[in-house]
Amino acid sequence: EVQLVESGGGLVQPGGSLRLSCAASGFTFSSYWMHWVRQAPGKGLVWVSRINSDGSSTSYADSVKGRFTISRDNAKNTLYLQMNSLRAEDTAVYYCATGAYYFDYWGQGTLVTVSS
Amino acid sequence: DIQMTQSPSSLSASVGDRVTITCQASQDISNYLNWYQQKPGKAPKLLIYDASNLETGVPSRFSGSGSGTDFTFTISSLQPEDIATYYCQQYDNLRITFGPGTKVDIK
Repeated sequence: EVQLVESGGGLVQPGGSLRLSCAASGFTFSSYWMHWVRQAPGKGLVWVSRINSDGSSTSYADSVKGRFTISRDNAKNTLYLQMNSLRAEDTAVYYCATGAYYFDYWGQGTLVTVSS
Repeated sequence: DIQMTQSPSSLSASVGDRVTITCQASQDISNYLNWYQQKPGKAPKLLIYDASNLETGVPSRFSGSGSGTDFTFTISSLQPEDIATYYCQQYDNLRITFGPGTKVDIK
């Protein structure tokens, strides 16, 4: 059974940093592209970033470019999102998801709250 | 970036009704269009990929069509468990965008 479990969310002050993790199991993690998608409270889905299967290629939404870094450790079956210079508008549930063109598996999400 | 619009933003329908949601892309995206269902407090679930392909295990009352810039998602006979928000999503080269969502509830 495919499982994606996010962790690392919490309350952080504006300008602070946080690292999210997504532990994967039940599939060959090293063969799949991975993504982060976020959803602000009561709002829609917003794609944040993606990384290819070996970690050699990444892309970001304009709203997070230069502040967020996606990475992966295929030996540990884990995806990461390093978030720096956090802003109030980054407050959201962050989901990791598998896929290249579409997202066939999702985690349960982890809440990030940016507030003083 | 490619912009996605969806209509309507919300709808109410009776059990058994046919429900149709449209999604329009700001430029040609071929068939790189997917549909998701999200229930409150849950992660989204993939229903349709590449515009018209039903994901494994998804009931056949869900369907999708279209190509280029105009796409349609249909529930042929609305069931109580279909109450959710539905999102379209496009893939363009390295960027992905979602539509704003359509909230579906029971009349």
